[in-house]
Amino acid sequence: SQQGEEDPQALSIQEGENATMNCSYKTSINNLQWYRQNSGRGLVHLILIRSNEREKHSGRLRVTLDTSKKSSSLLITASRAADTASYFCATDNAGNMLTFGGGTRLMVKP
Amino acid sequence: EAEVAQSPRYKITEKSQAVAFWCDPISGHATLYWYRQILGQGPELLVQFQDESVVDDSQLPKDRFSAERLKGVDSTLKIQPAELGDSAMYLCASSKGTDEQYFGPGTRLTVT
Repeated sequence: SQQGEEDPQALSIQEGENATMNCSYKTSINNLQWYRQNSGRGLVHLILIRSNEREKHSGRLRVTLDTSKKSSSLLITASRAADTASYFCATDNAGNMLTFGGGTRLMVKP
Repeated sequence: EAEVAQSPRYKITEKSQAVAFWCDPISGHATLYWYRQILGQGPELLVQFQDESVVDDSQLPKDRFSAERLKGVDSTLKIQPAELGDSAMYLCASSKGTDEQYFGPGTRLTVT
């Protein structure tokens, strides 16, 4: 079963624009992580935000977490064609076991 | 940079046959995970090892799937017999036990 639900399921933007993806989850968490997956490849860890944090930055990435609403968002600023990929949120409820959402498929057009 | 190795990268097998996947985690990573990812969906955890011990295999279909990590290093996931519905990407990941997981390239299984 998948705890997280990403929204939108697919997103198409022009290079240089910002991309925002949202994730909702159902139960309390220790942390929430975002991963990227290029077509047919393994996942790459992007950023982790702990349950007591509200916002985190890493390069062009900004993640927010609202535990009261059980939701998170990932913002990619100044997108590039190379950002084209699927993005997944994953929640760590306990024991370092991740539950992934269904993903957002991002296409950045040059 | 150290990576998680998986083999084979692609496997085509007929239903009712046996198939096995291998994973070599990053050196020093005590925790190893096997995930199954159906096309268009997120990965689902099948089994988690801490060293050679199974931490969680509640989502592993034990009538046909088995996993082992005998010496606490590399791991094998086996399916016998394979069914059409097993067609998916099988991903292995490792971690130091906390926080981020490092994923291998996956094995794409097609059951015909």
